Amino acid sequence: AQSVTQPDIHITVSEGASLELRCNYSYGATPYLFWYVQSPGQGLQLLLKYFSGDTLVQGIKGFEAEFKRSQSSFNLRKPSVHWSDAAEYFCAVGRMNYGGSQGNLIFGKGTKLSVKP
Amino acid sequence: IAGITQAPTSQILAAGRRMTLRCTQDMRHNAMYWYRQDLGLGLRLIHYSNTAGTTGKGEVPDGYSVSRANTDDFPLTLASAVPSQTSVYFCASSDSSLAGGDTQYFGPGTRLTVL
Repeated sequence: AQSVTQPDIHITVSEGASLELRCNYSYGATPYLFWYVQSPGQGLQLLLKYFSGDTLVQGIKGFEAEFKRSQSSFNLRKPSVHWSDAAEYFCAVGRMNYGGSQGNLIFGKGTKLSVKP
Repeated sequence: IAGITQAPTSQILAAGRRMTLRCTQDMRHNAMYWYRQDLGLGLRLIHYSNTAGTTGKGEVPDGYSVSRANTDDFPLTLASAVPSQTSVYFCASSDSSLAGGDTQYFGPGTRLTVL
């Protein structure tokens, strides 16, 4: 069965430091992979997505992610974190079929990012 | 463009009461979804709709029902609320559900407390 694992529940980094959030997936075929961000009290916003092609994907707000098939990973990175990046981050895999012709997202449980001044 | 709107923003509900959470999108997306978000569990799919007139069950459908009378609206109904349905509910939409790769756009959520 498809699944997404985010091993880190909570990460704290200093402002200006680099960031890497881990995501591992289990999927039988080439996956569609997503990173979403959720600010406190808000809905989810798409940061970036991977479908095919270049394995390094650029997103909004200076984030990037690298798809590594051999490691079943899609880690999110940012070279220099800003205080406004404090939020919860969700990795998701797009599923082609679910009980029929439905495709939907399978989410990880999220990683909460805190930023120290 | 508003995207997706949800109402109410929050609600406290007595157990056993009936409640409908509203969701409207103005993007003319074919597919719509309802998720619940619980601490430590991430987002789980409740129900979905590939297109107007069709609905399907997600991962955690028990105690919930949906309808899709038109493209824009996708209400979620709790027929008889129970405390375990206390959660934050998110509605989402995507242009197509068939590929699994379409971006889903999320509403701001409804915080529901069942006492």
